[in-house]
Amino acid sequence: AQTVTQSQPEMSVQEAETVTLSCTYDTSESDYYLFWYKQPPSRQMILVIRQEAYKQQNATENRFSVNFQKAAKSFSLKISDSQLGDAAMYFCAYRSAQGGSEKLVFGKGTKLTVNP
Amino acid sequence: GAGVSQSPSNKVTEKGKDVELRCDPISGHTALYWYRQSLGQGLEFLIYFQGNSAPDKSGLPSDRFSAERTGGSVSTLTIQRTQQEDSAVYLCASSVGTVPGTGELFFGEGSRLTVL
Repeated sequence: AQTVTQSQPEMSVQEAETVTLSCTYDTSESDYYLFWYKQPPSRQMILVIRQEAYKQQNATENRFSVNFQKAAKSFSLKISDSQLGDAAMYFCAYRSAQGGSEKLVFGKGTKLTVNP
Repeated sequence: GAGVSQSPSNKVTEKGKDVELRCDPISGHTALYWYRQSLGQGLEFLIYFQGNSAPDKSGLPSDRFSAERTGGSVSTLTIQRTQQEDSAVYLCASSVGTVPGTGELFFGEGSRLTVL
């Protein structure tokens, strides 16, 4: 079974600075998808960014980018120019690309604090 | 509605009582998921529905937990004879289904269950 590990329970960053959240995963599959979700205090999970394993290019969405290292099974999230609204729980998630395996497997999350 | 709707938002019950949690997915989404989020933990997969296929119940923690999805839309998660360890936030999510490469789940705001 696949597992996702987020080794940083909490992180903090100064407003306008850059922070990187770590995520590693374990799988024997070669094709899969990886995601970062954000959960603000409202509890509603929001997709931040996703990466297809077959793509070598790292995904980027505005201030959010990933460092995908397939061989190392690492998928870190970099937040540039941090804003107060970025404060939230961040969850890394894995999804198999095999048919019939639609569920996402989540890590335990990293709580990000943004200091003014 | 525009998003995934869950009710009740909060539920307090006594140990031993049954509870029902409701999820109304985004119109047109064929896939529906239930996850459980305990305090300080990540998201634990419970059950997955896809169209008319048999649901993936592999995450249900015990036979006290059951879920159904009527007419391919609304889903109800039922917990019988609740225990204190059932206290958690129950999150529902929906997606467009098995379209490759998407995998984006749209989450509701969750139902917080407290068992006294």
